[in-house]
Amino acid sequence: DTGVSQDPRHKITKRGQNVTFRCDPISEHNRLYWYRQTLGQGPEFLTYFQNEAQLEKSRLLSDRFSAERPKGSFSTLEIQRTEQGDSAMYLCASSLAQVVGLAKNEQFFGPGTRLTVL
Amino acid sequence: SQQGEEDPQALSIQEGENATMNCSYKTSINNLQWYRQNSGRGLVHLILIRSNEREKHSGRLRVTLDTSKKSSSLLITASRAADTASYFCATVANSGGGADGLTFGKGTHLIIQP
Repeated sequence: DTGVSQDPRHKITKRGQNVTFRCDPISEHNRLYWYRQTLGQGPEFLTYFQNEAQLEKSRLLSDRFSAERPKGSFSTLEIQRTEQGDSAMYLCASSLAQVVGLAKNEQFFGPGTRLTVL
Repeated sequence: SQQGEEDPQALSIQEGENATMNCSYKTSINNLQWYRQNSGRGLVHLILIRSNEREKHSGRLRVTLDTSKKSSSLLITASRAADTASYFCATVANSGGGADGLTFGKGTHLIIQP
């Protein structure tokens, strides 16, 4: 399967614990995005990388959230000191950088990691 | 914050009928995309329409875009039970340079009754 993969698919944690999620994008894609989706809502953009550079992080929900993509391939999203309000689906997506003649920013999503904070 | 607003929020039709969903957005866009999400699964890209296009077809899908009204519609013809899902429109800002994240609406939940 050459799609976007995420691990774990489900995570249950206690309030105050740290959690880390992993995303493996489509191999030739150089852009990687993280989104959060709560029940009944559309995904909400959090941050994105082009190769290893994090080009947008102002949308991260608080300083408890951080993301890395150290070698420009897989990425991790960490939430420190989790709160019950962090319970949501965390989605990862990848895309190719804009190429002349192609539309901008067609993204391919992974299955998501569902986080439950007790 | 979410820019797009889909209408209706929920739609239930009989199998074989056509389903129409609408989306409104607020800012200037480069393109508008429609995604489908089945219960408990990830988002699947359906179709993309550029800001200089007015209509696009893909199989049983027809998308229109009216940039003067900042609105788009998705038509699914000859609906099937497997079309039951939530449908989201997503926009890409028309800002130069980098690829901003997609801005999604709240979605339309479509139920196809057998």
